Amino acid sequence: QKEVEQNSGPLSVPEGAIASLNCTYSDRGSQSFFWYRQYSGKSPELIMFIYSNGDKEDGRFTAQLNKASQYVSLLIRDSQPSDSATYLCAGLDTGRRALTFGSGTRLQVQP
Amino acid sequence: DTEVTQTPKHLVMGMTNKKSLKCEQHMGHRAMYWYKQKAKKPPELMFVYSYEKLSINESVPSRFSPECPNSSLLNLHLHALQPEDSALYLCASMPGTGELFFGEGSRLTVL
Repeated sequence: QKEVEQNSGPLSVPEGAIASLNCTYSDRGSQSFFWYRQYSGKSPELIMFIYSNGDKEDGRFTAQLNKASQYVSLLIRDSQPSDSATYLCAGLDTGRRALTFGSGTRLQVQP
Repeated sequence: DTEVTQTPKHLVMGMTNKKSLKCEQHMGHRAMYWYKQKAKKPPELMFVYSYEKLSINESVPSRFSPECPNSSLLNLHLHALQPEDSALYLCASMPGTGELFFGEGSRLTVL
């Protein structure tokens, strides 16, 4: 079974610090990965996607993909209390055209 | 228009009721999804429609019946549900690039 695994947290960081969220996956065939942010009671919101090995930056967010080690990470620079949410990592099952989600990591940014 | 619209936002129903959840998107995406999400859990895939045909049914009980009347609409018909079916039901659509665009969800309570 294709799996995506995340540490459930909570991960607590002070305001202004870098938050590092990690995810591992079991399917070597997975090519595309996505990070979603979900506030309590709301639906998931896409933050970033990454297809290629290396880093991809978008504002305060950097996604990293290492296909050899089968891990994906999301760095949030200058963390703000408004970043406090659950972050879901997902991999695309290309054959089924469906996303498999990790269990999510709860991030708490302390003012 | 980059939205997926779901109605109703909240639904309370008895175990003998029949109700429907509705979803609409006008982004031209040809794949549409139903996910179920329980509290503190990741979204769990239920159904996938591709080009208006059901392509994936994740062994969902028959009391949930999906329907895709056209490329913009997706329904989920509910009948004889159980209290454990209470959850947030998320509709999503997917373009060719693989990311899911979620609606706000329909929060279902079964009494």
